Parts: sequence; structure tokens; C-alpha cells
Amino acid sequence: GQQVMQIPQYQHVQEGEDFTTYCNSSTTLSNIQWYKQRPGGHPVFLIQLVKSGEVKKQKRLTFQFGEAKKNSSLHITATQTTDVGTYFCADGAGSYQLTFGKGTKLSVIP
Amino acid sequence: DGGITQSPKYLFRKEGQNVTLSCEQNLNHDAMYWYRQDPGQGLRLIYYSQIVNDFQKGDIAEGYSVSREKKESFPLTVTSAQKNPTAFYLCASTARGTYNEQFFGPGTRLTVL
Repeated sequence: GQQVMQIPQYQHVQEGEDFTTYCNSSTTLSNIQWYKQRPGGHPVFLIQLVKSGEVKKQKRLTFQFGEAKKNSSLHITATQTTDVGTYFCADGAGSYQLTFGKGTKLSVIP
Repeated sequence: DGGITQSPKYLFRKEGQNVTLSCEQNLNHDAMYWYRQDPGQGLRLIYYSQIVNDFQKGDIAEGYSVSREKKESFPLTVTSAQKNPTAFYLCASTARGTYNEQFFGPGTRLTVL
């Protein structure tokens, strides 16, 4: 199936610094979903992007969908310790199915 | 409270034994999924079911089996044929229709000794 590549695999930031994770595909994505998994927890849905060039914001989180619908990004402004976890993007190309990226694990140093 | 339950949270089995992981949802969702998560590997789809009495293999179905006799329940059996069964198993569900978010259960961490 279609693969989504997510980078970086790990990111360590000082509290207050910004953080960005990227999701890339060689083919056009129909839609992108983003999930967050806290350490020891389960993935929780954050947002879905459907339209080319779409930008959505949730407080300090900004999600973008590329113009060509082949990439997406999640940017966190001024990270806090509560942002710690692994962030996954997922391609919803298949009906009912999601193809997940391998995730970016974010560590925040207080 | 609506949600997905998985039990137990931790499970230990001896090598060569089959083990069944439970997944129950009261969200009235049509589709249910089983994922396996290993460190650094993200989520890999084992099986999914779009409707009662029907299910399809995912990317890593070998050594696993499922059933979907009721809309609320989607148990996963890890058989002795699964070569490396120790992992974190996540169950999820979603409502009918495209572009719908998946709701995940708390997961079962299986350790085969």
C-alpha cells in the first residue's frame, strides 16, 4: 500500500522552543489525519486535513497540507512538557483504512 | 461513557500457546481494526472489519485470526504460528463513511515468554 514517510524520527527540544514534524508521500494523498500518543498511552485523533493547501490551528498547534497534497506538517509553537509524546500522520486513501507513518517522538526538556 | 475497551492491559503467555485479546466498543461503529505497535515501527494493520461477519487481512495478518460475530466485539487471536508475538496491540473503531477519525482502545501489551 501507499507509504507515508515521517521525519524526524526523534526530536529533543528545550521547553519553549518550537517543533515541527513532516509527513511526505511520493503519491497524492487523499486526506491526512494526525494523531498524538502519550508515553504508555494510545493514539488520540488531533485533526484531519482534506483540501490542498489547507491550514488549521489548534491553540499552539498548526497543521498544514501541501498544495500538491503530497506532504503535511505539524508545527508546535513554544513547546510545553505536556506536548511530550509521539505524533503520527496517517493517510486515509483507502476507504475505512489508514496508513500510518512511523511517527516522530518528541521529548521536551524542562 | 462511550468508548473502546481492551482487556487485559498486560498479558503474559508461554511460547506455543494461542492467546485471544478482547476488544469491545459501545460507539455503534461499523468498522473495527487491530494494529500492532513495535518500538520505532509505528502502527501496522493486522486485520480490519467493516461489517459484522466480514473481515479482511491487513499488512501483517500471518499468525493472527479474528472474528466479528457482533458489531460491538472484534477479538484477536495470536496463534503459535506468529513468530514474534511480543508487542503492543491496539484496537480501533470508526463510524461508516470516509475520512472518519479512528478511536483507539487503551491497548494490550502482550509478552510471550
